[in-house]
Amino acid sequence: AQSVTQLGSHVSVSEGALVLLRCNYSSSVPPYLFWYVQYPNQGLQLLLKYTTGATLVKGINGFEAEFKKSETSFHLTKPSAHMSDAAEYFCAVSEGPTSYKLIFGSGTRLLVRP
Amino acid sequence: EPEVTQTPSHQVTQMGQEVILRCVPISNHLYFYWYRQILGQKVEFLVSFYNNEISEKSEIFDDQFSVERPDGSNFTLKIRSTKLEDSAMYFCASSEKPWGTDTQYFGPGTRLTVL
Repeated sequence: AQSVTQLGSHVSVSEGALVLLRCNYSSSVPPYLFWYVQYPNQGLQLLLKYTTGATLVKGINGFEAEFKKSETSFHLTKPSAHMSDAAEYFCAVSEGPTSYKLIFGSGTRLLVRP
Repeated sequence: EPEVTQTPSHQVTQMGQEVILRCVPISNHLYFYWYRQILGQKVEFLVSFYNNEISEKSEIFDDQFSVERPDGSNFTLKIRSTKLEDSAMYFCASSEKPWGTDTQYFGPGTRLTVL
């Protein structure tokens, strides 16, 4: 069965600093990987996804993630944090083309200090 | 931009009562999903639905749960006899295509509190 682990339930950075949110997955099949963001009182919004092809994926709001098969990782980064990035971030994996469901990590709350 | 909407935003009910959570998926989407998140826990898949049939369900989705698309726009989740442990945030999602490659668009959620 597939699973997702997000290291750090809370990450705090200063405005302008690098954001790094970690995600590791386990999968017996080539994974499809997603990062979602949830702002307060809102639904989950897709930031970016990896399905096939280029392993460095760019998303919205300046975020990007790199799929590293050898490390089973899909860490999310942003070079310079903005106050508006404060939110909860979820990494998710799909079980592949024959499954409909997403399997989520436990989430990381990003705090941005002024 | 089209979005998934859910009503109500917060539902309080007594244990043993039936509740119906409502969702309006994005209009050209054909695949619909329910997830839930118990406070402090992961977002968990409940069920997927296509062409008026359940296409996949989790072990959580037992006989107390049912889903329906009663008309061309709504998608509902019914819990027949609520338990305390059903208290959670319930998210509806929809996608244009199935499979793991397509993006699922999520609604803002309904917070269900069972007393």
